[in-house]
This record gives sequence, structure tokens and C-alpha cells, in this order.
Amino acid sequence: AQSVTQLGSHVSVSEGALVLLRCNYSSSVPPYLFWYVQYPNQGLQLLLKYTSAATLVKGINGFEAEFKKSETSFHLTKPSAHMSDAAEYFCAVTKSNTGNQFYFGTGTSLTVIP
Amino acid sequence: GAVVSQHPSRVICKSGTSVKIECRSLDFQATTMFWYRQFPKKSLMLMATSNEGSKATYEQGVEKDKFLINHASLTLSTLTVTSAHPEDSSFYICSAPRPSSYEQYFGPGTRLTVT
Repeated sequence: AQSVTQLGSHVSVSEGALVLLRCNYSSSVPPYLFWYVQYPNQGLQLLLKYTSAATLVKGINGFEAEFKKSETSFHLTKPSAHMSDAAEYFCAVTKSNTGNQFYFGTGTSLTVIP
Repeated sequence: GAVVSQHPSRVICKSGTSVKIECRSLDFQATTMFWYRQFPKKSLMLMATSNEGSKATYEQGVEKDKFLINHASLTLSTLTVTSAHPEDSSFYICSAPRPSSYEQYFGPGTRLTVT
């Protein structure tokens, strides 16, 4: 079975500070991992994805994530938070490249303090 | 631009009525689509897998007679909430797999409010 765990349902950072959102996965097969952002009353926007190529993945808006197999983690980071980064962030896993369903973490709400 | 659309984006209906939500893939075909439900400040819960030309596959605990799914064409899946009740109020999101890929395209969501 596949699942993801996001530690910390709420994270607050000061503007300009490092953003770290945690995601750990469990998967019986090599996973494909994703981070999505959701703004209020909107759908999901893909930030970045891990597809078994480079372990350090760079995404949009200055975000990046590192796949660490030994730690079964795929934490999302950004060196300097902007006010516009305030949103809900979801980690997701899928087990195959055949369009199977995604399994989402419970989400982390990011607040950026001016 | 958007590759998966949903209509309507918002709908308010009275208890006991039914409401249909459409999910369309734009410029690509999707033999499979997925329907999710999201409660306020909660994660997305997979409700069902919509299969073109065959019956949908529902997740455990999802009432198939209440949430009717029809995947009549390669670009359209519909979710009908039958005999809606206030507890059905939620944000419904669909997705479609990018062809030959592990990626999913997500629709913008539909906010359903049942009064």
C-alpha cells in the first residue's frame, strides 16, 4: 500500500525565512512523489515531482525537494519565504506510471508572517 | 492553460435535489478519471475511479447510489450527487492522467453547498 504522512498540519515562518514542509512516504514499490499547492477555493497546482531521476528536484516558485530513500522522505523547502507562499501544501504519491490514483497527505497550511 | 475543466465552479442546491458536476479533459483523451472530495481544511479523499465505457470503481465507504458517476466519452466524466443533503456540502475535485505519464491534471474544483 502507498501512503504519505505530512508532519505538522500548520507551519508558520517569517517572511524571508527558510520554509521546510515535511513529507514521509511508505510504498511497496519505487514511488513517484509530488508536491502540490492549493490556494483558497482553488484546485491543485503542481509544484514539483520526483520520477526516479535526480534526487534533488527543483520546482516552480523557488521550491525544491530532495528524495531520500534511506529516510523515506521527500521534504519540501524554499530558502526564503514570500507572503504569496501562504497556502495549503499537499504531498502525494502514486505507485505507477499508468495513471493510477494519487494518495494525498493530510496537508500542511503555511502561514508567512510579515 | 487549464487542461482539465470542471463545471460548475460553484453550485447551491436545496436538500433532496440532485446536482451534476462535469469534468472534461481538454485536448487529450482520458479513459480514466478520478473524483475526490475535500472537506474544509482537510486533504483530498479519493471517492471513485471513473472508467470510460464501464462502471466506476468506488472507494470503501463511498455510496455508489448517492454519487453516480458516468464516463460517457473519452473527454467527459460526470458526478451526480443524488438527493443531496447538507452533509454533502464539500469541494469536489476531479483529475485525469496525463497520457502515457504518471502525472495527473487536476480540475479547478466545484464548491457544492446544500441548503
